[in-house]
This record gives sequence, structure tokens and C-alpha cells, in this order.
Amino acid sequence: EPEVTQTPSHQVTQMGQEVILRCVPISNHLYFYWYRQILGQKVEFLVSFYNNEISEKSEIFDDQFSVERPDGSNFTLKIRSTKLEDSAMYFCASKGQINNEQFFGPGTRLTVL
Amino acid sequence: AQTVTQSQPEMSVQEAETVTLSCTYDTSESDYYLFWYKQPPSRQMILVIRQEAYKQQNATENRFSVNFQKAAKSFSLKISDSQLGDAAMYFCAYRSRSGTYKYIFGTGTRLKVLA
Repeated sequence: EPEVTQTPSHQVTQMGQEVILRCVPISNHLYFYWYRQILGQKVEFLVSFYNNEISEKSEIFDDQFSVERPDGSNFTLKIRSTKLEDSAMYFCASKGQINNEQFFGPGTRLTVL
Repeated sequence: AQTVTQSQPEMSVQEAETVTLSCTYDTSESDYYLFWYKQPPSRQMILVIRQEAYKQQNATENRFSVNFQKAAKSFSLKISDSQLGDAAMYFCAYRSRSGTYKYIFGTGTRLKVLA
């Protein structure tokens, strides 16, 4: 069964450094999402991406964040200058044209020191 | 803006017993989708069950069923014959029928299954 994959599973970085989180959505899906989950808190929407552009972003998704689909298969989330409060689990999700539900990746745990 | 509330941070159930997890939501929309996702310790979220708001019939998937009360904006999950593998964090999620299809999640309920 096709699944969403994410790399790395765990990323440790120093405050102020740039990080890129990678996702490979299910191949025929058209809608892509990033969510984050700070430890012990709820899952929060960050951004949605469709037709090679951002379709919606939350207040969390400020100028430090960007997304890209560089090669038609990968979907990346970049944080330009990480802050301590960016430490969280980041989930990628994708959705097909017909499906009603999103399929989630296993997440990347980001730790900012 | 839509909100989702899960008022039970943690629930416990004996193996083989039945448990109900609560979820309420707030929306001004008339058509939408509701989901229950399971997040085991491995952290990947897995869809348990979904409900289309325009359908009056409650969704059922094997041991999992929902009680969808549209007027009350309530969407509870019933797990029958609980198994050890059901232990996980359960998230209720709302999605509009149109737009970007983003999810709005509740805070989750941690379910413990006691042997």
C-alpha cells in the first residue's frame, strides 16, 4: 500500500540554523500539507500546497518558513533560522483528488538546541 | 473559525470492554467531514473512521463506530471489544467540504487498554 514517507526521522540543530524537512507524498496525490505537534499538544496546521503554490497558511507559518516541491515528488519544509520554540514533531500529509482523507507520514522530530 | 474540543485527556478501558471517546466541534458550515485518527507510540497517524456531515447514518468500521449528532455538534467514537493494540492517542479532526481541505484537530485523548 502506498504511504507518505519523511526524512529524517529526527533532526537536531542549533538555534539560528536552517533546516530542511523532506517528505515524499503518495505519488498521484495533488494536495500537500505540513502540520506540527509540539510535545504534549495538539496537531496544528501549518500550510497547504496545491498546483505548485501555497493555498493556505496559518499564523505559525511566518517568513521563516517556506515550502517547495522541487522535483515533482519531494515536498520540503524549510525553516530559515530555527528558534527553540520550533522544536516539535512535523508531519507531512497528502490527499488525492478523490479521497476525502489525508494520509500522514511518520513525522520528523525536530529538536532545536 | 472552526474549533474541535476533546474534553477527555486520558481514558482507560479493560481489554474486551467498550469505551467511548468524546469530541465536540463548532462550525457555521452545514457540510463538512469529521475524522478520528489513531496515533500509536510509533507516531504515524492512521485514519480510524470518517463521517460525512450530510449523511445521517453513523459510520462503522469493524469494532469502531461513531455517534454523530449534527445538531449538538458532537462526534464520539465507540470502540467495542477493546484490544491491547487499540492503546494510542486518538485525535478528532474537522475538515471543510471545500477550500484547502486542511484539518483542524482536537487536543487528543490518550487511551490506555488494561489487560
